[in-house]
Amino acid sequence: GDSVTQMEGPVTLSEEAFLTINCTYTATGYPSLFWYVQYPGEGLQLLLKATKADDKGSNKGFEATYRKETTSFHLEKGSVQVSDSAVYFCALHNQGGKLIFGQGTELSVKP
Amino acid sequence: NAGVTQTPKFQVLKTGQSMTLQCAQDMNHNSMYWYRQDPGMGLRLIYYSASEGTTDKGEVPNGYNVSRLNKREFSLRLESAAPSQTSVYFCASRDREGLFFGPGTRLTVL
Repeated sequence: GDSVTQMEGPVTLSEEAFLTINCTYTATGYPSLFWYVQYPGEGLQLLLKATKADDKGSNKGFEATYRKETTSFHLEKGSVQVSDSAVYFCALHNQGGKLIFGQGTELSVKP
Repeated sequence: NAGVTQTPKFQVLKTGQSMTLQCAQDMNHNSMYWYRQDPGMGLRLIYYSASEGTTDKGEVPNGYNVSRLNKREFSLRLESAAPSQTSVYFCASRDREGLFFGPGTRLTVL
């Protein structure tokens, strides 16, 4: 079945460091891909999305490119801030209409 | 707009007790979902409703029932709670952009 795999956390970075969180997926056809962010004590919020191959989603300095050839959607940010500390979830929306999440990656940014 | 609201925020039950988690959205979305979140397991879909009057099982439906009362409201019922149902429960609704989540209900079953 369709699935999403994320790199394991926690990821700990210093402020202004470069961030990459890896995400790969398995799905038939052409799913839409998403990154959601969950701040402590809150529900998930949509961070960015891409709906077709080679699309780049971007928001709040984060970006991710839909790579069909490597079935990946890695999240990147050039300079993280303490306020970016959260759990990040990669997800896909498959052709059957279901949204499938990865297990989440916790990011901790130290001053 | 309040978005997606959930009640209660916290709940403690004893094994065998029943309860209903309430969810409402004011964005006129057709699709609504119930997920549970457990450490190291991400979010797992319990039930979803593609439109008013329809419901379908997700990945982990056992021990739960749902009711799509109207377009706004989608409730989740635990008929006989078990410790394995200790979790954080999220309701969500969806439009073309993606999912909109409620703040969650933290449920502990003793």
